[in-house]
Amino acid sequence: DSGVTQTPKHLITATGQRVTLRCSPRSGDLSVYWYQQSLDQGLQFLIQYYNGEERAKGNILERFSAQQFPDLHSELNLSSLELGDSALYFCASSDGRTGGERETQYFGPGTRLLVL
Amino acid sequence: EDQVTQSPEALRLQEGESSSLNCSYTVSGLRGLFWYRQDPGKGPEFLFTLYSAGEEKEKERLKATLTKKESFLHITAPKPEDSATYLCAVQATGANSKLTFGKGITLSVRP
Repeated sequence: DSGVTQTPKHLITATGQRVTLRCSPRSGDLSVYWYQQSLDQGLQFLIQYYNGEERAKGNILERFSAQQFPDLHSELNLSSLELGDSALYFCASSDGRTGGERETQYFGPGTRLLVL
Repeated sequence: EDQVTQSPEALRLQEGESSSLNCSYTVSGLRGLFWYRQDPGKGPEFLFTLYSAGEEKEKERLKATLTKKESFLHITAPKPEDSATYLCAVQATGANSKLTFGKGITLSVRP
């Protein structure tokens, strides 16, 4: 158990809908990262938050957005869903400070999204 | 752009048959190279971080090594419970802490 929690575990929805994925980081970690894993693309970085502020963006679609709240939990919002958005979505957390083992990212169990 | 290539894509071993998994990378400046293990339908589980060429780390039957261009994950006398997908990722120097992952190596160990 990494200490990172994600809800829900599974999500089935229809095209055009909007969903929210939730992540709670490990105790004490300030950074939260979101990744998407699909069969053909592997794990792809979406976005990072550090202590409530957006720190870095990857190939995140404009239909997707995220935020980190004062209690450090994070939410990933996916809207106008398409069939191709079906994937595993992982949240990871790290200490947030640079240097050594504090950089290690610990992953949650993921949310499996199926868009029909 | 940072790139990670893992080979082979899949590896089948007999229990006790040692082998190595390869991770080749290109990155502007390496902050760290990470190995994770992922079981089907689960999140990646952290194994090792390597920071500089020549560094080695060991954990039970696994040993990770690093050169300036590649990393190896050596598996000694594997057991069926070592069956999983092994992911390699790099983190570049600079403000962005993102991990760039390879596609993974699926290891199957037969009893």
